[in-house]
Parts: sequence; C-alpha cells; structure tokens
Amino acid sequence: DTAVSQTPKYLVTQMGNDKSIKCEQNLGHDTMYWYKQDSKKFLKIMFSYNNKELIINETVPNRFSPKSPDKAHLNLHINSLELGDSAVYFCASSQARGIDTQYFGPGTRLTVL
Amino acid sequence: GEDVEQSLFLSVREGDSSVINCTYTDSSSTYLYWYKQEPGAGLQLLTYIFSNMDMKQDQRLTVLLNKKDKHLSLRIADTQTGDSAIYFCAATYSGGYQKVTFGTGTKLQVIP
Repeated sequence: DTAVSQTPKYLVTQMGNDKSIKCEQNLGHDTMYWYKQDSKKFLKIMFSYNNKELIINETVPNRFSPKSPDKAHLNLHINSLELGDSAVYFCASSQARGIDTQYFGPGTRLTVL
Repeated sequence: GEDVEQSLFLSVREGDSSVINCTYTDSSSTYLYWYKQEPGAGLQLLTYIFSNMDMKQDQRLTVLLNKKDKHLSLRIADTQTGDSAIYFCAATYSGGYQKVTFGTGTKLQVIP
C-alpha cells in the first residue's frame, strides 16, 4: 500500500553515463514533483507536472529530462552524468486543489563516480 | 522568489521542549508547513497552518505564526529521542501552481 514509490533506492554509476529514476504514486494525485537534496540537506525543486503537463521547470541543466507517461508516473532521465549530480532525488505528489500537502517517496541516492 | 530560512542545528535534552524557528519572505504565503525527515527517509508532513491562523496545536506539537514578522515556529513538548530528525519549514501561496519553497532544514538532536 505504498503511496509514493521510487526505483531504484540506490544508484551508483560512472561519469558520462545515462540513467533513469522512476516514480509512481497510487494516491490519485494530479501533481507530481522531483526534488534534489544535496549533501547539506538543502532541498530544491527541479520539476513539477500536473496531469502530465510540465508546470514548474526550475533552473536545471538540459541533461535532466522528466517524462510523465500518465498522471501516476513521473520519471527522471539524466544524460551525461556529472560528479555534481550526486545527491538524493525525491519524488513527491499532491492534490491539484485544496491543501498542498506533498507526499514524498523514500528517495533515490545517486552516486556518480 | 520566496526565501525560507531556518537555523541549522538544535540540541535538547530528552523531556525538554524544543522550539524550531523559521522565517519566510513572501507575505502572500498562504500555507505553511512543517515536515520531518528521519535518516534515510523522505519527508513526512507533521502539521500545517493557514496564514489566517496564529496558532495550531496537535498533541505534542504547537505551531505559532507571526504573520507580521513572517516568523513560524514549531514547539515539540516533552521531546523524545525518536524526535531526532531534520525538520523542514515550507511555504506556498494560493496562486499559481503550488510551488512550495522549503527551508534549509533544522537538525534536531535529542540527548538522552
């Protein structure tokens, strides 16, 4: 009965590789998000989708491309990985209307070597 | 854009009260939240307050909002070792597409 799930939980890869992180929510929410949490625990929003439509796109390198095949899924693809991409990536979801409570996934720890 | 600031670290003894403070810059912020992040886990909503409220109490948690000073606090009564975590303040406003700005996080250490 997991609400927001992410795969994989850990991802270790070499510089220059391309990788994807998947996110799924079973809460029936309309809006999904990707956040990056750095080593100092600062949390920054990267993207937000509402009903499969991109609505927030913060200053993020073009190497990061979100894809939402349906409103329950929001995947994050990263091209040409760099050392600075090492972080924990959190997916979240919320209702489009009403209280803006965001429900977070468990995170994906990405380590780029 | 919105800035949300918190002190980075707080240490308290078990059984004492903890007060975690937060300041924000956007006076049009409508919803203010406190999230808890335990080690190796995602963020979990603890409580929230609407901007037209001054105070909200929920069991051991008390949220105080000073809208004039744009200051939010979270008081945890009878702090337990299980309360050790990072606490994030967050703010959003009712317009737009619900972009929530998170604070820098306060690491709470509870000493037995």
